Amino acid sequence: DAKTTQPPSMDCAEGRAANLPCNHSTISGNEYVYWYRQIHSQGPQYIIHGLKNNETNEMASLIITEDRKSSTLILPHATLRDTAVYYCIVSSWGSQGNLIFGKGTKLSVKP
Amino acid sequence: DGGITQSPKYLFRKEGQNVTLSCEQNLNHDAMYWYRQDPGQGLRLIYYSQIVNDFQKGDIAEGYSVSREKKESFPLTVTSAQKNPTAFYLCASLGTTNEKLFFGSGTQLSVL
Repeated sequence: DAKTTQPPSMDCAEGRAANLPCNHSTISGNEYVYWYRQIHSQGPQYIIHGLKNNETNEMASLIITEDRKSSTLILPHATLRDTAVYYCIVSSWGSQGNLIFGKGTKLSVKP
Repeated sequence: DGGITQSPKYLFRKEGQNVTLSCEQNLNHDAMYWYRQDPGQGLRLIYYSQIVNDFQKGDIAEGYSVSREKKESFPLTVTSAQKNPTAFYLCASLGTTNEKLFFGSGTQLSVL
């Protein structure tokens, strides 16, 4: 079973911020939070990852709660091209074992 | 450019036939993965390999087989024992210094 819980779907208006939540209440101290997204019929694409500090890159921001039991991926100005399924997974740095994806959140960005 | 290549993009299988999906990477990654995706569903892990000549079963390995004779290659065979093979198959690789999973573009397998 996936170690994370995400809402199955969300809508967002174009140009607004999209905030995608993820619960990972059983995360252990050495596990990172990773986000990927998958546009229809393509391979998933890496977005961002973090351990305990908030992270930002050219694609998104990642906010991790102080207890690390949940996180939020923020797309600051969503566009129609951001419509995709977003996956949150947890994994240990350097772990090359069983990487489990859940069902993700289907984000629909609407004009 | 470095990357991960899956072929073919579309594949059709007849009843009782084994088919092999190719996955090649030139990223010098040690770990490679095969996932299956059904319509509207998430990714389910079939097999993974952390090193050459070694691999482990994932959650849904029944009816599938793999080999890892070379670091660059991790082919997946869908055997006749897999009674519901129609799905989108994704291959991925992971390095030790860059912890991003790299995915191929996928193979859509259908049954004739």
